Amino acid sequence: SQTIHQWPATLVQPVGSPLSLECTVEGTSNPNLYWYRQAAGRGLQLLFYSVGIGQISSEVPQNLSASRPQDRQFILSSKKLLLSDSGFYLCAWSGGQGASEAFFGQGTRLTVV
Amino acid sequence: RKEVEQDPGPFNVPEGATVAFNCTYSNSASQSFFWYRQDCRKEPKLLMSVYSSGNEDGRFTAQLNRASQYISLLIRDSKLSDSATYLCVVSGGFKTIFGAGTRLFVKA
Repeated sequence: SQTIHQWPATLVQPVGSPLSLECTVEGTSNPNLYWYRQAAGRGLQLLFYSVGIGQISSEVPQNLSASRPQDRQFILSSKKLLLSDSGFYLCAWSGGQGASEAFFGQGTRLTVV
Repeated sequence: RKEVEQDPGPFNVPEGATVAFNCTYSNSASQSFFWYRQDCRKEPKLLMSVYSSGNEDGRFTAQLNRASQYISLLIRDSKLSDSATYLCVVSGGFKTIFGAGTRLFVKA
């Protein structure tokens, strides 16, 4: 069966520090991968999605970037965090071309202080 | 215009009430539709898919109107445990877009 792992679960980082969140999927090949952010009390905002290795589409301009170095690995990064980067970051995967549901990792709660 | 729009609520209803959530989407080429449930500080989880003919799962009924680009979720006989945020989800091509969610509070 397919599983998705996301870590760390919680993170407290100072303003200006770098960020690296990692997500891996097991049990499937060539998944579509997504990074979402949810600010406190708000909905899910799509940040990046990827349909294959090295293919990244950005939905929102910001100081974040994403990379997909391997088929089932998706990384969210920042060189310098802002206070406004605080939120709940969720990695998700889906299969096929928009035909199937998305499955989420357990999320990373990031607090920038 | 947002790609997926929902009434944010909150909806405050008593136990046993029937409550309906609506959602509109802007991309007429969208192919798949879902309702997700998100509990506080947790990841969203699939509640049900939405089919063109409408579908029911126990107390939950989902409907899709492609002509109006409109999706609905009806919850009958609300339970305290139904309290959560309900997310409308639209998928087309390689993109899966979530609505901002509708918060539901069911009171005893």
